[in-house]
Amino acid sequence: GQQVMQIPQYQHVQEGEDFTTYCNSSTTLSNIQWYKQRPGGHPVFLIQLVKSGEVKKQKRLTFQFGEAKKNSSLHITATQTTDVGTYFCAGRNFNKFYFGSGTKLNVKP
Amino acid sequence: NAGVTQTPKFQVLKTGQSMTLQCAQDMNHEYMSWYRQDPGMGLRLIHYSVGAGITDQGEVPNGYNVSRSTTEDFPLRLLSAAPSQTSVYFCASSRQGGGTEAFFGQGTRLTVV
Repeated sequence: GQQVMQIPQYQHVQEGEDFTTYCNSSTTLSNIQWYKQRPGGHPVFLIQLVKSGEVKKQKRLTFQFGEAKKNSSLHITATQTTDVGTYFCAGRNFNKFYFGSGTKLNVKP
Repeated sequence: NAGVTQTPKFQVLKTGQSMTLQCAQDMNHEYMSWYRQDPGMGLRLIHYSVGAGITDQGEVPNGYNVSRSTTEDFPLRLLSAAPSQTSVYFCASSRQGGGTEAFFGQGTRLTVV
């Protein structure tokens, strides 16, 4: 069945280092969304990518959608302690969303 | 705006009991969905609805029922609770058949003993 794999599961970085999480789908996606969940909180929408090869930036965050619309990445430049949380991708196939297992980011000050 | 409101926030059930998790949104969103979140497994789609009167199954629908009699409400029913249903449940809503930003509720932490 449909699967969205996300790696790594955990990432520990020193403040100021970069961070990247990757998602791969077994099938072509209509779009992909990224969410952030703080400890004890609920997922909060970051961005949606729709077009093949699309790249979007939000300040220190860069999101990419692969040419085949099967993979995506989120890159954070110069992490800050406020970036702590779990980052999820969610791939859409028709009316269903398939979430990756998430990457938990810990930033040491 | 309240956004997406889930009740209760916490619940403990005994095996075999039934209960309904409530979800309401005040944004007039067509698309609503229920997810369960288990450690290391991300969020898995239980059921979803693209509008009032229309529901469909997600990845893990067994043991759960839903209905969508109004645009605002999308309750999730556990028919006969099992320990395997211990999880955190999130309700979410979005516009346009799910193809836009999803707003999540605060979650319900359910323990089945």
